[in-house]
Amino acid sequence: AQKITQTQPGMFVQEKEAVTLDCTYDTSDQSYGLFWYKQPSSGEMIFLIYQGSYDEQNATEGRYSLNFQKARKSANLVISASQLGDSAMYFCAMSISGTYKYIFGTGTRLKVLA
Amino acid sequence: EAGVTQSPTHLIKTRGQQATLRCSPISGHTSVYWYQQALGLGLQFLLWYDEGEERNRGNFPPRFSGRQFPNYSSELNVNALELEDSALYLCASSLDPGTSVGELFFGEGSRLTVL
Repeated sequence: AQKITQTQPGMFVQEKEAVTLDCTYDTSDQSYGLFWYKQPSSGEMIFLIYQGSYDEQNATEGRYSLNFQKARKSANLVISASQLGDSAMYFCAMSISGTYKYIFGTGTRLKVLA
Repeated sequence: EAGVTQSPTHLIKTRGQQATLRCSPISGHTSVYWYQQALGLGLQFLLWYDEGEERNRGNFPPRFSGRQFPNYSSELNVNALELEDSALYLCASSLDPGTSVGELFFGEGSRLTVL
């Protein structure tokens, strides 16, 4: 069965430091996509970054990078130079190519400390 | 370009009443998803609509229903409200689910409180 696991319910990071949010996934499909979303306290889910299963290079979007290790089935989000505005809930998600399915993890709450 | 819009932002109802939530997808997106997010919990898949039809539903009772209109906007109805229906209801749209351009774009959500 397809599953996303986020083992860190909460994380703290000092402002301007880097932080890694863990995500492991489970699927027997060969073609899939991995996403990270940010959910501030306002509730909206903000798309951050995408990695396709066939992409050879790790995705990067500004201060966000996705550390994709296919053999380990991990897709960790790295946020560099943390800012106070990065404090939010972060969800890892997976889509299976050719299907409607989007599977979400339980989320990690990140708190950036001044 | 307008994003996914949801209304109302907040809704307060009492047990037994009905709630109707609305969602307009991004222009050109034909797929609409509904998720329920209870306080402090993750996203639970409710319904998926594509091209005007309900394609799949999550593990929710039949009192959760909805529809998608010809303009691809969607409505979620919750009948016979129960206290545990209190949650943030998120709508999302996608251009092409399950492809490399198929990320979900979310609205700001409708927060339903059942008293």
